[in-house]
Amino acid sequence: TQLLEQSPQFLSIQEGENLTVYCNSSSVFSSLQWYRQEPGEGPVLLVTVVTGGEVKKLKRLTFQFGDARKDSSLHITAAQPGDTGLYLCAGAQKGGANSKLTFGKGITLSVRP
Amino acid sequence: GAVVSQHPSRVICKSGTSVKIECRSLDFQATTMFWYRQFPKQSLMLMATSNEGSKATYEQGVEKDKFLINHASLTLSTLTVTSAHPEDSSFYICSARVEDRGASGPYRNQPQHFGDGTRLSIL
Repeated sequence: TQLLEQSPQFLSIQEGENLTVYCNSSSVFSSLQWYRQEPGEGPVLLVTVVTGGEVKKLKRLTFQFGDARKDSSLHITAAQPGDTGLYLCAGAQKGGANSKLTFGKGITLSVRP
Repeated sequence: GAVVSQHPSRVICKSGTSVKIECRSLDFQATTMFWYRQFPKQSLMLMATSNEGSKATYEQGVEKDKFLINHASLTLSTLTVTSAHPEDSSFYICSARVEDRGASGPYRNQPQHFGDGTRLSIL
């Protein structure tokens, strides 16, 4: 079983602050995805990273995939209240037709105005 | 972007009732659909993987006779919770994915796109 550990589990910060959260595993993933989920809604895909060492930017969000493809980080610059939500990372071990995603437990982020 | 519609968004019913949840891909043909269950403040737990025209593959510990999955077309999968009981109350989420058969390796599978979930409450 591939386990994805996300940290910290909860984070409450002031608007304008920067933050970095992590997604770690002992397993290698062929790809890793980050989602944001708001209460009562389904997860919304933010990014997919595939190549070890890859860095992707989405406005104020920067995602990095570890060189060994076992871990990933998400950095948010100048956080805003609209960034509040549950951030889930999910890894796929294989690229085949029935490859499944393994989800971490998520990071609950609260950005105070 | 890709849109997945899930219906109904909320169901409240009595114990013993069977409940059907629909998952539709609105602007693409989904090779594979997935059904997840999510408890409060917890992550998504995969219940089953559904490919169009074939039997669903259930995860360990998920009762296939309890959670019936039908994937009749490339745009529709349904999950029926049979004889639901209070312990079945949860947030059920579907996702849909298209397989890019022209690609290879990790690019073969496009990302999963999720529905907005169904809040099931069994009294």
